[in-house]
Amino acid sequence: QKEVEQNSGPLSVPEGAIASLNCTYSDRGSQSFFWYRQYSGKSPELIMSIYSNGDKEDGRFTAQLNKASQYVSLLIRDSQPSDSATYLCAVNMIGGYQKVTFGTGTKLQVIP
Amino acid sequence: EAGVTQFPSHSVIEKGQTVTLRCDPISGHDNLYWYRRVMGKEIKFLLHFVKESKQDESGMPNNRFLAERTGGTYSTLKVQPAELEDSGVYFCASSPYSTEAFFGQGTRLTVV
Repeated sequence: QKEVEQNSGPLSVPEGAIASLNCTYSDRGSQSFFWYRQYSGKSPELIMSIYSNGDKEDGRFTAQLNKASQYVSLLIRDSQPSDSATYLCAVNMIGGYQKVTFGTGTKLQVIP
Repeated sequence: EAGVTQFPSHSVIEKGQTVTLRCDPISGHDNLYWYRRVMGKEIKFLLHFVKESKQDESGMPNNRFLAERTGGTYSTLKVQPAELEDSGVYFCASSPYSTEAFFGQGTRLTVV
């Protein structure tokens, strides 16, 4: 079992719809969770971090964490073609950044 | 403010040769990380510096890899001698504290 699992996609959604990206992790002691967006050939860009159970909203993005189910998700409301990218889930055990484990990423395509 | 800068952006070398990758973190960031992504796999942690000290090098694949951060500023990652399986994209990231980190554009290394 991979430590951090994501569906590789591609996930295709129409413009204006909600995109839902999911991630599960194996280490129950994980404490910090991050979502990165990576455009092709570019560096990963941090878009959300979440540390406690529940929802965290930032603009069109909402991160959801459920530690009991070892599940973290990212919702993108009003999806735009510019949101088309690979979204990487990253997890670590220690509070804060330090050593993180990445998933392979989910490719999102927003269709105009 | 300048972001994390990596040199070179691409490098093609023959098996058995030596290559040195460089990372200039964001000024003032004490934490510096090296990661690697090989084709089709997830981004994997290599090591973490706090200033000039190696905090965690558990991800370094073998003793052909040597990372340094003299003076706690820029860092180098040397691969000597390079093998075919070392091909991939090497990312550097930095952070001011042990929180969210900022990634560089990466160095694409191809060993032929």
